[in-house]
Amino acid sequence: QTVVTQEPSFSVSPGGTVTLTCGLSSGSVSTSYHPSWYQQTPGQPPRTLFYNTNIRSSGVPPRFSGSILGNKAALTITGAQADDESDYYCMLYMGGGISVFGGGTKLTVL
Amino acid sequence: QVQLVESGGDMVQPGRSLRLSCAASAFTFSSYVMHWVRQAPGKGLEWVTVISHDGDDKYYADSVKGRFTISRDNSKNTLYLQMNSLRVEDTAVYYCAKVPYSGNYFAAFDIWGQGTMVTVSS
Repeated sequence: QTVVTQEPSFSVSPGGTVTLTCGLSSGSVSTSYHPSWYQQTPGQPPRTLFYNTNIRSSGVPPRFSGSILGNKAALTITGAQADDESDYYCMLYMGGGISVFGGGTKLTVL
Repeated sequence: QVQLVESGGDMVQPGRSLRLSCAASAFTFSSYVMHWVRQAPGKGLEWVTVISHDGDDKYYADSVKGRFTISRDNSKNTLYLQMNSLRVEDTAVYYCAKVPYSGNYFAAFDIWGQGTMVTVSS
């Protein structure tokens, strides 16, 4: 069974840059997996950040970017702000209608 | 603006059934693939199921296959999730979500509903 991997937690200083990754337990992530990224704060529904690797969803500030880095999908925040402190989830499309989420990364800004 | 509103969440006993609804507005519902995603208390997101824009194609996570059925009524702009043989581990907030492109695009979401809570407990 394919597992989508994410760092369980990450910390960044205000104004700093952080890159969260999304990998596969077996194999490499490519654009063919249509990686997407979602942000969620406690008690709120998820908010879409990116789909198709790097297509920014409406209203997402430019300090967020999506890419493929090596064999993983990546979400980079440049100039982190306090309200970026959230849980971040990636999702990969496996084909045949099936999608799989990663376990999420809890980002702390301090 | 584009809106998705879930309803139907409740507390039920194990083995019972429940039907969730997701009312869509401000977009051409019949043109878009729709998904259900769930989140157990304190846990991460889990993709549950997806339906094609015309309702012909449906796919399920292994954890719900054979118990849950996704459907849609394009004349009513409404998505459904019929949940049978509910288990304690089905306890979660259930979100419906729309894909960003019309046609048969299955791979991501752009708009999410607020979610509806399903609790399975004896």
